[in-house]
Amino acid sequence: GAVVSQHPSWVICKSGTSVKIECRSLDFQATTMFWYRQFPKQSLMLMATSNEGSKATYEQGVEKDKFLINHASLTLSTLTVTSAHPEDSSFYICSARDLTGGVYEQYFGPGTRLTVT
Amino acid sequence: KNEVEQSPQNLTAQEGEFITINCSYSVGISALHWLQQHPGGGIVSLFMLSSGKKKHGRLIATINIQEKHSSLHITASHPRDSAVYICAVSGGGADGLTFGKGTHLIIQP
Repeated sequence: GAVVSQHPSWVICKSGTSVKIECRSLDFQATTMFWYRQFPKQSLMLMATSNEGSKATYEQGVEKDKFLINHASLTLSTLTVTSAHPEDSSFYICSARDLTGGVYEQYFGPGTRLTVT
Repeated sequence: KNEVEQSPQNLTAQEGEFITINCSYSVGISALHWLQQHPGGGIVSLFMLSSGKKKHGRLIATINIQEKHSSLHITASHPRDSAVYICAVSGGGADGLTFGKGTHLIIQP
């Protein structure tokens, strides 16, 4: 099946610094990638939809200037958490959409656990 | 916005038991996903359904579009099935997923 990778798998950073998370589709091209966030003991929440070559679409309540998304190629989307605060500590997961046989399927990355100290 | 409800929230069963997890949603969808999340956090997509029934090994997923309801069944459950099972729906090809809160399943040997 299709494979999506994320890097790094975990990161610890100091408050006020920026962190970049990469999401790559390894064996297919993804015109659309999604970024999700999961706080402890809560369900996953969609943060933004990333479309190759255009601006990301952010969900209500997600600050676009804080969570910068770049989808520069058909296989790579990046999420940069700027001026990180402890409340940004969370599990960030991306998924990439593949069109197979006319049906959209989403493939998930393994996730990145961010801890802001 | 779609509301996705799962039941039960927690389920502990003995090895070999037949397991059923339910999911209901409030608004019409284009597809429903069943996902598995292990303690490390990684997510595996088990099924994507838009109608009917799918089977993969010991896992069976069904969906009733009219009743806005889906079930995930596990036959001959095994301790390695212990995980959080998440139902998620999408409204259209361009949409991200809306997730249920998950069902925490523990299979005891």
